[in-house]
Amino acid sequence: KAGVTQTPRYLIKTRGQQVTLSCSPISGHRSVSWYQQTPGQGLQFLFEYFSETQRNKGNFPGRFSGRQFSNSRSEMNVSTLELGDSALYLCASSLGPSGGYGYTFGSGTRLTVV
Amino acid sequence: SQQGEEDPQALSIQEGENATMNCSYKTSINNLQWYRQNSGRGLVHLILIRSNEREKHSGRLRVTLDTSKKSSSLLITASRAADTASYFCATGGGTDSGGGADGLTFGKGTHLIIQP
Repeated sequence: KAGVTQTPRYLIKTRGQQVTLSCSPISGHRSVSWYQQTPGQGLQFLFEYFSETQRNKGNFPGRFSGRQFSNSRSEMNVSTLELGDSALYLCASSLGPSGGYGYTFGSGTRLTVV
Repeated sequence: SQQGEEDPQALSIQEGENATMNCSYKTSINNLQWYRQNSGRGLVHLILIRSNEREKHSGRLRVTLDTSKKSSSLLITASRAADTASYFCATGGGTDSGGGADGLTFGKGTHLIIQP
């Protein structure tokens, strides 16, 4: 059974650009969550999608957005990139909403903003 | 704000010894989850313990939960070099039927080093 797949693995962008990250969950998982990990702030919740609906969003500015497609694949978008957006972005999938069964994480996309 | 806080921040032990990490949290929970992360890669789910459980085992891992003290511990027995990683506790997960819509809240983690 394939795991959670995140693409691309590494990305370098310039300040002011926008970026789209992709996540394919485990087959049958309908919940996809996104997290940002930085050395200073640690792991922080961005948002969770379940059946194409955003269930909740963490404390991030509106430049961070996401969506989920009917096949449960998800994308997150960051517009007008800032240096502080440099981070490891992790996607996690779960069988049901809210991680009552635990989450399976992808290997992450490491974004560097220069 | 951090819900879970792991202690210690770093731990170095010899291979074969047991490693114990602690986690404290602030609010009521449905479950508490432990994850492992190797060298900035993705997190690996280790154990989920529900609020009505007191202890859970998985292979060499043993997790306890004390909801009265709002704390949990992760014990790794007979440690191996491959156990070198960062370990995180996370709260905020929902029940099997839902809830927990605010996502998981992670602590800063315990960095475990196993010396060969």
